[in-house]
Amino acid sequence: KNQVEQSPQSLIILEGKNCTLQCNYTVSPFSNLRWYKQDTGRGPVSLTIMTFSENTKSNGRYTATLDADTKQSSLHITASQLSDSASYICVVSDRGSTLGRLYFGRGTQLTVWP
Amino acid sequence: EADIYQTPRYLVIGTGKKITLECSQTMGHDKMYWYQQDPGMELHLIHYSYGVNSTEKGDLSSESTVSRIRTEHFPLTLESARPSHTSQYLCASSEVGGQGSYEQYFGPGTRLTVT
Repeated sequence: KNQVEQSPQSLIILEGKNCTLQCNYTVSPFSNLRWYKQDTGRGPVSLTIMTFSENTKSNGRYTATLDADTKQSSLHITASQLSDSASYICVVSDRGSTLGRLYFGRGTQLTVWP
Repeated sequence: EADIYQTPRYLVIGTGKKITLECSQTMGHDKMYWYQQDPGMELHLIHYSYGVNSTEKGDLSSESTVSRIRTEHFPLTLESARPSHTSQYLCASSEVGGQGSYEQYFGPGTRLTVT
């Protein structure tokens, strides 16, 4: 069964600190992995997208890593800001259909305190 | 920021009413999607479309229906709303492509509450 598991479920950190969010998946055959940021009451916004051959990608203070062998990904946030408070969703796409179906994790709810 | 819009943003309605959630995009994307998301849970695909006059049901069974008469417009309709339909509904669009790294853009969502 294709699944995406994220940990931790929730995380509280102080402003300026770093944090790392984890994602494990069983989706096969694998196409790509994305990390989305979803603010409360808003739609998800893409942060990074990585294919099989990529093992790291950065977007400002966000750095995603991918280990396709162990089927694990992480999202590292550097020097957190209050505006980073949101849900971070790991999404994996398969290449077994023309739709390129997306499998969503439940997200990690990050809260940044001043 | 993606050019994909949803109205209304919030809707509180009584049981049995017919409702239509609007979604439109100005990016010329052929693929469009509707997702349902409950608090703290993952997004579930309920409908998608490859283009005009194309509609398909997604992974999660839904009593809603969709139509795609114009490329930019993908409304979702509930003929008779029930409390079990209370949820957040997210619309998205993407370019038609292979199984590559196409980007999927999401609208802001409609928070539906059925009393």
